[in-house]
Amino acid sequence: AQSVTQLGSHVSVSEGALVLLRCNYSSSVPPYLFWYVQYPNQGLQLLLKYTSAATLVKGINGFEAEFKKSETSFHLTKPSAHMSDAAEYFCAVSERGGYNKLIFGAGTRLAVHP
Amino acid sequence: NAGVTQTPKFRVLKTGQSMTLLCAQDMNHEYMYWYRQDPGMGLRLIHYSVGEGTTAKGEVPDGYNVSRLKKQNFLLGLESAAPSQTSVYFCASSQRTTTDTQYFGPGTRLTVL
Repeated sequence: AQSVTQLGSHVSVSEGALVLLRCNYSSSVPPYLFWYVQYPNQGLQLLLKYTSAATLVKGINGFEAEFKKSETSFHLTKPSAHMSDAAEYFCAVSERGGYNKLIFGAGTRLAVHP
Repeated sequence: NAGVTQTPKFRVLKTGQSMTLLCAQDMNHEYMYWYRQDPGMGLRLIHYSVGEGTTAKGEVPDGYNVSRLKKQNFLLGLESAAPSQTSVYFCASSQRTTTDTQYFGPGTRLTVL
């Protein structure tokens, strides 16, 4: 069965610092990969997704992620954190040929301090 | 265009009571999903539907039933609520492809006493 591991349940950065949120998946066949963000008391919204095109994927709000097959990773980065980036971030995978069912990681809560 | 809506937003039940959560989408999506979110566990798929009149079990289906009588609606039922079902429930919908974005509702916070 597929699984997703997000290293670090809480990450804290200073405003203007690099944001790096880690995601590793376990699958012999590279799945489709997604990053979702959840702001307090809201549903999830898509940041970006990897679907076998370019390995470096750009998303909304200045975020990007790079798919590395050799490392089974899909880490999320942003060069300069903003206070408004404080939220919970979820990495998810879906199987190729499936019904778009998502398997989520446990989430990483990002705090941004002045 | 409201997207995905969920009713109710909050609910408190006593053990053994039943209830139904309603999800509605106005994007003409084929696929719909119910997830539960628990601290430290991310979201887990309860049931899903790939079209009107069809439903299937997800990762954690026990204690829940679903129905999709109309394409735009997906109902999640708890026949006999248990404290372990205290959670935040999210509905989502997507087009009929394996790479399409899932659009999520705002969630229902359920507490079972």
